[in-house]
Amino acid sequence: GAGVSQSPSNKVTEKGKDVELRCDPISGHTALYWYRQSLGQGLEFLIYFQGNSAPDKSGLPSDRFSAERTGGSVSTLTIQRTQQEDSAVYLCASSLVAGGLDTQYFGPGTRLTVL
Amino acid sequence: GQQLNQSPQSMFIQEGEDVSMNCTSSSIFNTWLWYKQDPGEGPVLLIALYKAGELTSNGRLTAQFGITRKDSFLNISASIPSDVGIYFCAGPKDNYGQNFVFGPGTRLSVLP
Repeated sequence: GAGVSQSPSNKVTEKGKDVELRCDPISGHTALYWYRQSLGQGLEFLIYFQGNSAPDKSGLPSDRFSAERTGGSVSTLTIQRTQQEDSAVYLCASSLVAGGLDTQYFGPGTRLTVL
Repeated sequence: GQQLNQSPQSMFIQEGEDVSMNCTSSSIFNTWLWYKQDPGEGPVLLIALYKAGELTSNGRLTAQFGITRKDSFLNISASIPSDVGIYFCAGPKDNYGQNFVFGPGTRLSVLP
């Protein structure tokens, strides 16, 4: 497809388990962003990639959260030892170049529920 | 840190009515973005504003970049049912535009 895709679309897990969320950006987009959206809230910035490197990890809530990007394409967001407060929709976006303020394209998100 | 506030939090309007919502910041922004999010989808960019005082239209949508650079307004004329959704304002946290802050959103419901 032509857009940003994310998988899984829904994930239910038990507290304490690890989860991996995947993002496939638009082909050719060098910048990739992860956001978290809690119920009824705005988007919370988590991390940003330019190519395979992450110049800004300031939004990651704790050391249980990590992300990587390989081949300048697919990115995975990993949450270790999940907690109930991690329940949210995790959104990925990509843009053609870094700092592309008007060209961030969002995926549909992964809804994570931690029981 | 930078924070964005949006008002109203939610609104119910009749189809055909005009809508106005705004976004305010405690600090100056050099760019304002307005997004719309449909249920179960990611946000979609509606309008981008780059200069204080700028007024930009996209179909029935009009947005303005406030002169103080601390606010922005989004107006929707002649609302239709597909306008339902959450409208977010956003702006860059730094001068490089690589880290963004989003407002909490305005939830719009359109009654037939």
